[in-house]
Amino acid sequence: QLTQSPSSVSASVGDRVSITCRASQAINTWLAWYQQKPGRAPKLLIYAASTLQSGVPSRFTGSGSGTDFTLTISSLQPEDFATFYCQQTNSFPLTFGGGTKVEIK
Amino acid sequence: QVQLVESGGGVVQPGRSLRLSCVASGFTFSSHAMHWVRQAPGKGLEWVAVTSYDGSNNYYGDSVKGRFTISRDNSKNTLHLQMNSLRPEDTAVYYCGRDCDDSSGYLIDYWGQGTPVTVSS
Repeated sequence: QLTQSPSSVSASVGDRVSITCRASQAINTWLAWYQQKPGRAPKLLIYAASTLQSGVPSRFTGSGSGTDFTLTISSLQPEDFATFYCQQTNSFPLTFGGGTKVEIK
Repeated sequence: QVQLVESGGGVVQPGRSLRLSCVASGFTFSSHAMHWVRQAPGKGLEWVAVTSYDGSNNYYGDSVKGRFTISRDNSKNTLHLQMNSLRPEDTAVYYCGRDCDDSSGYLIDYWGQGTPVTVSS
């Protein structure tokens, strides 16, 4: 089971935003992060907890291992307002976190 | 470029069946595991099923095990999801996704646009 916090956050353009994902048992670095905008399919941002997917801006960083993980956006841009999900990639059934909605303040 | 196009969604009564399809292009379909993921209205993502590159190994989420069957036809670059004994709680947008297929575990690097399924009487 993956628990994300907060469930929503209000932030301004330029802010630094961090989202956490906690696993109920250790998953080493078997974790991915996705971004989803309304009405659109999710987009892969980060895998193996900290590896940036090709084409994803460097303002997105992932960190953590074991049970605690963090997605950080260093300087929020207008196109970053979306919902973010973590996913454990190691064992079946695969599971997603509940999501964190990043809203405009 | 990689493209995944789902079809087959619609409105169906509880207890009935529906078959979703996903046609892939722009990559070697037979080299990648493929997933189905769903999203109920206003809710988060729920993983449904995965099939290995050759269809020999399939895994399912707990809520669909025994009712849904994932399959693939590599000669037609097509992924299927046979959904039986449908329930209202199966109402969702269903996405197909290509597995990244590297050493980082099971994750989806390309997604279709989704096909909506509504289970209602």
